[in-house]
Amino acid sequence: DVVMTQSPLSLPVTLGQPASISCRSSQSLVYSDGNAYLNWFQQRPGQSPRRLIYKVSNRDSGVPDRFSGSGSGTDFTLKISRVEADDVGVYYCMQGTHWPWTFGQGTKVEIK
Amino acid sequence: QVQLVESGGGLVRPGGSLRLSCAASGFTFSDYYMSWFRQTPGKGLECISYIDGSSRYINYADSVRGRFTISRDNAKNSLYLQMNSLRAEDTAVYYCTRLTRLPDFWGQGTLVTVSS
Repeated sequence: DVVMTQSPLSLPVTLGQPASISCRSSQSLVYSDGNAYLNWFQQRPGQSPRRLIYKVSNRDSGVPDRFSGSGSGTDFTLKISRVEADDVGVYYCMQGTHWPWTFGQGTKVEIK
Repeated sequence: QVQLVESGGGLVRPGGSLRLSCAASGFTFSDYYMSWFRQTPGKGLECISYIDGSSRYINYADSVRGRFTISRDNAKNSLYLQMNSLRAEDTAVYYCTRLTRLPDFWGQGTLVTVSS
């Protein structure tokens, strides 16, 4: 199975400051169609996951442009340009290139 | 808007069976692949099965293959997961998701507890 490794696992951030989460895969996530099927999800306390980013860098409808995704191959990053209180939760990367699809361990974002 | 509502979770003894249901609305159900995920504090998030719109293409994670069966009824806009031979390690919150190549919308989840 493809192992997804996130860092850091805990991220205390000051309101209004940027945050960055790294996600590395044990194999290239480039599929035969040329796309890398790497998603980012946000899970707020007590809620189900919500997709933020799909195929590395595409923001879902309704997702603030403070969130951005980048990367290629095996290295990917989620950035929040200015953290707001509403951003508290756990963030997961997920690969959908190789079955079984696999997730990172999650990064807990909290306000300092 | 897209809504996915799971039901059928509960407490079951090891070796027992349970059937989860997911009622979908807000989109043309038969046009989409659907899947079941589960989440535990220890193992995190796991995709356990998916099914295409016509029930022709189905896949399972090794952890549930041979014990769980995914199915759908497009006339009822419903997705199902039949879980047999349940084990303690199947204890989790189970989510129904819609797939646009990968999961986009998730239900609120239903808790399955396997314990004697």
